[in-house]
Amino acid sequence: EAQVTQNPRYLITVTGKKLTVTCSQNMNHEYMSWYRQDPGLGLRQIYYSMNVEATDKGDVPEGYKVSRKEKRNFPLILESPSPNQTSLYFCASSDPRGQGTNEQFFGPGTRLTVL
Amino acid sequence: GEDVEQSLFLSVREGDSSVINCTYTDSSSTYLYWYKQEPGAGLQLLTYIFSNMDMKQDQRLTVLLNKKDKHLSLRIADTQTGDSAIYFCAESILGYSTLTFGKGTMLLVSP
Repeated sequence: EAQVTQNPRYLITVTGKKLTVTCSQNMNHEYMSWYRQDPGLGLRQIYYSMNVEATDKGDVPEGYKVSRKEKRNFPLILESPSPNQTSLYFCASSDPRGQGTNEQFFGPGTRLTVL
Repeated sequence: GEDVEQSLFLSVREGDSSVINCTYTDSSSTYLYWYKQEPGAGLQLLTYIFSNMDMKQDQRLTVLLNKKDKHLSLRIADTQTGDSAIYFCAESILGYSTLTFGKGTMLLVSP
């Protein structure tokens, strides 16, 4: 089944404790992206990657890192989480070369709470 | 810069039609999308329209595009309680992967 998976789905942590949220897709998509969703603010893009070893900042990159060593994986790293990073995080992937719709496929989300 | 605006909330009764509106500012937008987010889930593509189209119909869904006013709407006929969700409007430009999303419209369908 074509899908985007994220782990963990839920995480409660404390300020300053490094964490990684994994994202993996099995559709051979070149483009991957991380968003955070907050009430009243909608979806905001954190980082995106056009292909392996090619990452770029989105609208709200501060406090986050990403890497793209393999096509299928795009982990989100919080080196020193703070309470304002408490949010719902989504990973997405797409293949703009495909049938032309540029549909983004979303993971199920990771709800992060930083105390 | 790019901006996509939506009303935040819509409440309808089961069986009525729902119309969710969206405005965008980037005139070079090529694809316009409607995504649906059910409670506790990620976003799923509901429908899309190319900028060279005025209307697209897919079963209970009708998308209308007014390019002159940069206005997009999603009409859901015979709205059901299962349609209760958050609906996001999004735009992208041909050849670019990044989507710009609106803040989402929460649709509440009451019996």
